[in-house]
Amino acid sequence: AIQMTQSPSSLSASVGDRVTITCRASQAIRNDLGWYQQRPGKAPKLLIHAASNLESEVPSRFSGSGSGTDFTLNINGLQPEDFATYYCLQDHGYPFTFGQGTKLEI
Amino acid sequence: QLQESGPRLVKPSETLSLKCNVSGDSIINTFHYWGWIRQPPGKGLEWIGCIHHTGDTFYNPFLQSRVTISMDTSDNHFSLTVNSATAADTALYFCARHPKTGPPDFWGQGTLVTVSS
Repeated sequence: AIQMTQSPSSLSASVGDRVTITCRASQAIRNDLGWYQQRPGKAPKLLIHAASNLESEVPSRFSGSGSGTDFTLNINGLQPEDFATYYCLQDHGYPFTFGQGTKLEI
Repeated sequence: QLQESGPRLVKPSETLSLKCNVSGDSIINTFHYWGWIRQPPGKGLEWIGCIHHTGDTFYNPFLQSRVTISMDTSDNHFSLTVNSATAADTALYFCARHPKTGPPDFWGQGTLVTVSS
């Protein structure tokens, strides 16, 4: 199975900050990567698919980049509602695999 | 919309069974698979598996020997069973739509299943 290594595991930031979360795949996965936001007790929400394509109604302060093995999620100008846990997921091959998650805290 | 249902408490060694009712879409839509993901309390997300109406099914090897995902096209729902449940199967279980290409996009709200005597 493809392993996804996500970092950092936690991140402290303030409203208005720019943050970057990274995911590294154990083998090349083209751009077959999604990013999710999860609030406590809720289902994950898909933010980005195909590494850089924003889902509809996702604010433009979120952006994704990368291909092959290295990927990043950037959030520019953090808003209070952005403090949550973020996961990457590779959908290049079965079984799909998630990164370990990044908890973004104030 | 996707909605999970099933027993919230399962005894060890028994079978965990969940159902996902789908509304607003058809599970025989050729462009989608339908699958399950779980999250143990306080931990990360684990992909379990998915199924297409043609019968094409994929499972995560870590559970494959104990898991079955099936569909009922007459009732527009799909199901998950996990045999020989243990405390390690205690988790929030989500059902989700899986586009044929791309990550799971629409998720149910999740249902917490506890394996305990």
